Amino acid sequence: DTGVSQDPRHKITKRGQNVTFRCDPISEHNRLYWYRQTLGQGPEFLTYFQNEAQLEKSRLLSDRFSAERPKGSFSTLEIQRTEQGDSAMYLCASSPAPRGANTIYFGEGSWLTVV
Amino acid sequence: AQSVSQHNHHVILSEAASLELGCNYSYGGTVNLFWYVQYPGQHLQLLLKYFSGDPLVKGIKGFEAEFIKSKFSFNLRKPSVQWSDTAEYFCAVNNGAGSYQLTFGKGTKLSVIP
Repeated sequence: DTGVSQDPRHKITKRGQNVTFRCDPISEHNRLYWYRQTLGQGPEFLTYFQNEAQLEKSRLLSDRFSAERPKGSFSTLEIQRTEQGDSAMYLCASSPAPRGANTIYFGEGSWLTVV
Repeated sequence: AQSVSQHNHHVILSEAASLELGCNYSYGGTVNLFWYVQYPGQHLQLLLKYFSGDPLVKGIKGFEAEFIKSKFSFNLRKPSVQWSDTAEYFCAVNNGAGSYQLTFGKGTKLSVIP
């Protein structure tokens, strides 16, 4: 399967700890996205990269959230000093470079529980 | 700002019943429209999409959706549901070619009773 892969799938952490999630997009997809999904809600856009450039990050929830894609391939999403309200599913997605319409493919997500 | 409204939070149907899930969006410009499905324990999968052309689009597994621009709607339909269609369905919109941000509705959970 050459879909979007995310690691870890589940993470339980104590409040105040830092966590990092990794995403490997579909090969040759230039764009990579991070979304967050909480119970009873649809996914909410956080940030996106085109190759290694982070072109939109104003939707990151606070300055405790940061994302990188250093070589334009995999990406990491870090949450510092986690809070209970950060408990959610963190989704990664990717898409080809936009030449017209743009279909986005999602990974299975990383569940975060902050206790 | 875009927003997407899905009218039903939870729909319960018997097998072979017909399905229609409502979706309305608020954005006055060019839009691309999507329906995603999330089966229990699985990732979001694309069911179908509308970019341009014929407003009636057909997707996988017998689903179809109709874009009605005047009503800002993109309702999902299936003539006869199966137990395996039990899942959560999300409508989403972005504002045209090259757009990077999908805006999702809250989702509709469909339960199909055998």
